[in-house]
Amino acid sequence: GDSVTQMEGPVTLSEEAFLTINCTYTATGYPSLFWYVQYPGEGLQLLLKATKADDKGSNKGFEATYRKETTSFHLEKGSVQVSDSAVYFCALSENTGNQFYFGTGTSLTVIP
Amino acid sequence: DGGITQSPKYLFRKEGQNVTLSCEQNLNHDAMYWYRQDPGQGLRLIYYSQIVNDFQKGDIAEGYSVSREKKESFPLTVTSAQKNPTAFYLCASSSIQGAATEAFFGQGTRLTVV
Repeated sequence: GDSVTQMEGPVTLSEEAFLTINCTYTATGYPSLFWYVQYPGEGLQLLLKATKADDKGSNKGFEATYRKETTSFHLEKGSVQVSDSAVYFCALSENTGNQFYFGTGTSLTVIP
Repeated sequence: DGGITQSPKYLFRKEGQNVTLSCEQNLNHDAMYWYRQDPGQGLRLIYYSQIVNDFQKGDIAEGYSVSREKKESFPLTVTSAQKNPTAFYLCASSSIQGAATEAFFGQGTRLTVV
């Protein structure tokens, strides 16, 4: 079945450091891929998405590229800020069936 | 503004009581979902619905029940049969038209058994 595996946390970085959170997936078809962010006590917010191979999703300085050959969708940001401290979830959805599969989340703390 | 609203934000339940969590959306989405989130864990699917008057069990449906009488509403009842109900509950919705239709989430309800 479909599944998402993402890098275990927690991750602690200094402000302005480079961020990578790894995400790999298993899917039977051709899924869409997503990164969500969750701030403490809140729901999940969509950060970025990609719908097909080689697409790059980007938002607020975050980027991720849909790599079909390595079944990956790693999240990157060149210079993190304290306000980026949150939990990040990688997810996929098959284009039929409308089910979503989430990774276990990676907690990021950015220190000044 | 369009969105998805969960209420209440905090809920306390006594042992043996049923409680109902509300979820309403005005996004005109066909699909709605309930997830449970425990500390340090990912999201686990409880129930989902793709059309009014129809819903399917997710991975952890035991001890929960839902209804979908209106497109906009998908309430979740946590019954006394749920042995460990203390958790953060998230409702989500999505369109089923076209690809890359992301899920939109509510702000969550934190349920505590006292």
